[in-house]
Amino acid sequence: GQQVQQSPASLVLQEGENAELQCNFSTSLNSMQWFYQRPGGSLVSLFYNPSGTKHSGRLTSTTVIKERRSSLHISSSQTTDSGTYLCALDPGTGSNRLTFGKGTKFSLIP
Amino acid sequence: EAAVTQSPRNKVAVTGGKVTLSCNQTNNHNNMYWYRQDTGHGLRLIHYSYGAGSTEKGDIPDGYKASRPSQENFSLILELATPSQTSVYFCASGDVGGADAEQFFGPGTRLTVL
Repeated sequence: GQQVQQSPASLVLQEGENAELQCNFSTSLNSMQWFYQRPGGSLVSLFYNPSGTKHSGRLTSTTVIKERRSSLHISSSQTTDSGTYLCALDPGTGSNRLTFGKGTKFSLIP
Repeated sequence: EAAVTQSPRNKVAVTGGKVTLSCNQTNNHNNMYWYRQDTGHGLRLIHYSYGAGSTEKGDIPDGYKASRPSQENFSLILELATPSQTSVYFCASGDVGGADAEQFFGPGTRLTVL
């Protein structure tokens, strides 16, 4: 089965609202990495979060290993936040090879 | 800031032709990776490397070879390109280890095989 399940698949909000994106995982985790991708663009790393909560501007990442979940919170969303958000599980094990979720396509209504 | 570059950025190839995608990183990271991204499949790992001279198979290695001649450079080789290999290819680098193995991605190469 799928090792990393990301939800929702798409999310449409009005500018100024808060967004919550979720990843659930079924295998052992060394860390969860969150990325942002514009259409046709590359992956920009937002967080590398093995456990607990990390903040960066309006973004917050929380990883709870016991509950097998990691979340990304976007506060006061802006039109520039539109794009796709991807989570990727790093199992460690030396190779640190990532397993990606399918992504959340995030759109803002001005 | 991590720096990973890829060349070419766009490539059109013919079926049966040989294609080489190149990746360079200036982070002195040990590990390097090649992924492809396709609608409906997301990002999938093709090959990776632990360091110069090392190549390992990822989840979808069939039809691809890899080469790591130095710490900085990692190439993906399609000996006999097929239309099913039309995709966007990303290279990434990362350090080995537990708490600090964040991966950094290059800008991507859009490959079209006709």
